Amino acid sequence: QQPVQSPQAVILREGEDAVINCSSSKALYSVHWYRQKHGEAPVFLMILLKGGEQKGHEKISASFNEKKQQSSLYLTASQLSYSGTYFCGTLGNTGKLIFGQGTTLQVKP
Amino acid sequence: GAGVSQSPRYKVAKRGQDVALRCDPISGHVSLFWYQQALGQGPEFLTYFQNEAQLDKSGLPSDRFFAERPEGSVSTLKIQRTQQEDSAVYLCASSINRVGPSGANVLTFGAGSRLTVL
Repeated sequence: QQPVQSPQAVILREGEDAVINCSSSKALYSVHWYRQKHGEAPVFLMILLKGGEQKGHEKISASFNEKKQQSSLYLTASQLSYSGTYFCGTLGNTGKLIFGQGTTLQVKP
Repeated sequence: GAGVSQSPRYKVAKRGQDVALRCDPISGHVSLFWYQQALGQGPEFLTYFQNEAQLDKSGLPSDRFFAERPEGSVSTLKIQRTQQEDSAVYLCASSINRVGPSGANVLTFGAGSRLTVL
């Protein structure tokens, strides 16, 4: 089952913060976050494994609540370069990564 | 190579034609995945390989879709008798890890092959 992301789209000014949520109806081994710019390949941001850990990349961090089967991506003090579509990918026991429908982030000057 | 290479980048086919899309994964990467991405949507899983073995093809939309990786490196996705609904970007990704629920499977994606069926 495809994970559900919210919101579908976000528009920010430079320096503002945003949160993108990802939830699954299935038990998860891990959650992966990717960013894709228009016409380009999705680029790996981070993996969160079981254990409720948080990870960081630049000023982007994420959390994973395995009991709730949810993950959140936090973008702080957003920069123009953060614009793109963010996908969460969930890994269950099949070993294949299933992606959400994406959240489009637009950062304006 | 330095990254995952896909060719052609753009393909226009007439309805009913057969197409072949090629993926050159990163050298030494064990796992290879194919995804289909429709406009404005997330990548949808099609199939994956571990070396030359196709372990899961549950995402292939119909028997017109066929993928192979005969020597465990380059992979080809073939679509027979293309239909308009096949129009999408086809993404290939590879990983150094074996596929499994361990969770550490970082995928490196290629830029994709954009297929337009007229």
